[in-house]
Order: sequence, then C-alpha cells, then structure tokens
Amino acid sequence: AQKITQTQPGMFVQEKEAVTLDCTYDTSDPSYGLFWYKQPSSGEMIFLIYQGSYDQQNATEGRYSLNFQKARKSANLVISASQLGDSAMYFCAMRGGFTGGGNKLTFGTGTQLKVEL
Amino acid sequence: NAGVMQNPRHLVRRRGQEARLRCSPMKGHSHVYWYRQLPEEGLKFMVYLQKENIIDESGMPKERFSAEFPKEGPSILRIQQVVRGDSAAYFCASSPLAQGDFYEQYFGPGTRLTVT
Repeated sequence: AQKITQTQPGMFVQEKEAVTLDCTYDTSDPSYGLFWYKQPSSGEMIFLIYQGSYDQQNATEGRYSLNFQKARKSANLVISASQLGDSAMYFCAMRGGFTGGGNKLTFGTGTQLKVEL
Repeated sequence: NAGVMQNPRHLVRRRGQEARLRCSPMKGHSHVYWYRQLPEEGLKFMVYLQKENIIDESGMPKERFSAEFPKEGPSILRIQQVVRGDSAAYFCASSPLAQGDFYEQYFGPGTRLTVT
C-alpha cells in the first residue's frame, strides 16, 4: 500500500521569502511518481510539478522545485520568492507502478500556506 | 484545447435522491479517474475507467455508488439515495495512456455536492 504524509497542517511565509512544504512517502514499488498540486480557495486542482522515481535530477518548474531525497523517502516542495497568490492548500501525491496501484493517485492531507506582507 | 469538463459545478440534493455527476475528459484522453474530497481532507481515489471498462474500483463504496464511461458521451458517477455524508467535492481527472505509463492526470474543476 502507498502512503503520503504531510505533517504541516499550516504554514506562514513572508512575501518574497522561500518556503519548504514537507512530504514523505511510503511504497514498496520500485517505480513511482510524485506530484504536487495547488488548490486555491476557488477549489480547482492545479498541477505544479512532477518527479519520477528514476529521475536523476530534482524537478524544477519556475519558482517551484522538488527536493527529492529517495533514501529518506521525501519529496519536499520549495517555493522561492513567495507571492500573495501562492496562498492556497498544497497537496503531495504519489502514483505507483505496476504493483503499486497503477495510475491512481494517493494524496496527503495537505498543507495550508498563507503568504503575508 | 478544452480541459476536463465537469457538470454541474454545484449540485444540491435532498436525502434519498439520486445524484448524477458528469465528466468529459480532455480531447484524446480515454482514461478517466474519479476522486472524492471530503471537507478539510485530501482527495481519495474512487474509480478508474477506460471506455466501456471499469479498470479499478477499489475506492468505491460498496453500495449506492456506480460509475460508467460509455463509448460515446461523458463519464457518469451516480450516487443513489444520497445521505449527508456524501456531501463532498467530486473531482474527475483524465489521462491519455494506459496503466504503467506515467502521464499527468488533468483535473476538472470539480462538482460540489451538498446533501440537505
């Protein structure tokens, strides 16, 4: 079975500062993918970044980067230069390979990020 | 290229009524996933369908819930005899390829079901 753990229910960050949102995972599948999604108060799910288990480099997408530490089973999201529009709920999710549930996503409980002036 | 479409966006049903939620995947996508988000929680997988086939329904409640994805038309998530505990946001996602291929799932805007 797969499991995603997000231990920070809420985080505050000052505008223009960087923030790290924690995510640890558990799986017995050798091949898997890790995702981060943003859910603003309007409710839609916005894809941010993806990391494959065999990717050698940490994924980056603009101001988002994924700090992937495979041995520690962690996939933390780093947001640089925070903006007020980054205030939202952030979900970490995992997709397994052939033995880990295929294409279905397992989500964490989320971290509510608030960016302050 | 239109994204994943879901309708209605908001649905209010009285206890005991039926709820039908529709999802039209992105053009060219033949794989659909339904997730449920209870208030203050993360999304939970319900069911994974291809055209005319249910691939994985391990997350579906055993009773009152059913899903289909016909050859023509949208995917439908049907909830019979709704109860207050069914109140949630229901998200549909679609992807272009089969199990084992790692492709992004694109999410629709969700349907917010309220049972009164």
